[in-house]
Amino acid sequence: SQTIHQWPATLVQPVGSPLSLECTVEGTSNPNLYWYRQAAGRGLQLLFYSVGIGQISSEVPQNLSASRPQDRQFILSSKKLLLSDSGFYLCAWSVIGGEAFFGQGTRLTVV
Amino acid sequence: QKEVEQNSGPLSVPEGAIASLNCTYSDRGSQSFFWYRQYSGKSPELIMFIYSNGDKEDGRFTAQLNKASQYVSLLIRDSQPSDSATYLCAVTPGYNKLIFGAGTRLAVHP
Repeated sequence: SQTIHQWPATLVQPVGSPLSLECTVEGTSNPNLYWYRQAAGRGLQLLFYSVGIGQISSEVPQNLSASRPQDRQFILSSKKLLLSDSGFYLCAWSVIGGEAFFGQGTRLTVV
Repeated sequence: QKEVEQNSGPLSVPEGAIASLNCTYSDRGSQSFFWYRQYSGKSPELIMFIYSNGDKEDGRFTAQLNKASQYVSLLIRDSQPSDSATYLCAVTPGYNKLIFGAGTRLAVHP
């Protein structure tokens, strides 16, 4: 069966520090991969999605970047965090046109 | 215009009643439609998906899709307090992109 791992579960980082969140998927090949952010009490904002290794589509211009160095690995990064980067970050995978399956999420607080 | 729109609620219904959640989408070419449930502080979990016009039933849940009106809904029969959560509508405007609405908060009171 397929599983998705996302870590860490919580993270507190100072303003201006770098960020790296990693997500890996097991049990499937060539999945679509997604990074979403959810602000408190709000919906899921699509940040990036990827249909293959090295292929990244950015939905919202911002202080973040994403990379897909391997088929089942998706990384979200920032060189310098802003207060506005705080939120609940969710990684997800899907097959083409199918439902998304989510990791446990990372609650990021920038202080 | 937002790609996927939902009433934020809260929608309050008594236990045992039918809860009706609605969603509209802007891209007429959208092919796949999903309903997720999210408890506070947790990841969303899939409740139902629907691809064709009409109704699809699964237990207490019924999804309804009307592509001509660009409208998808979720009915929850015999609502229980454990159904209290935020319900997210999601749409694929392209096969490789999945867009979520802001969610509707449902409160089922005893």
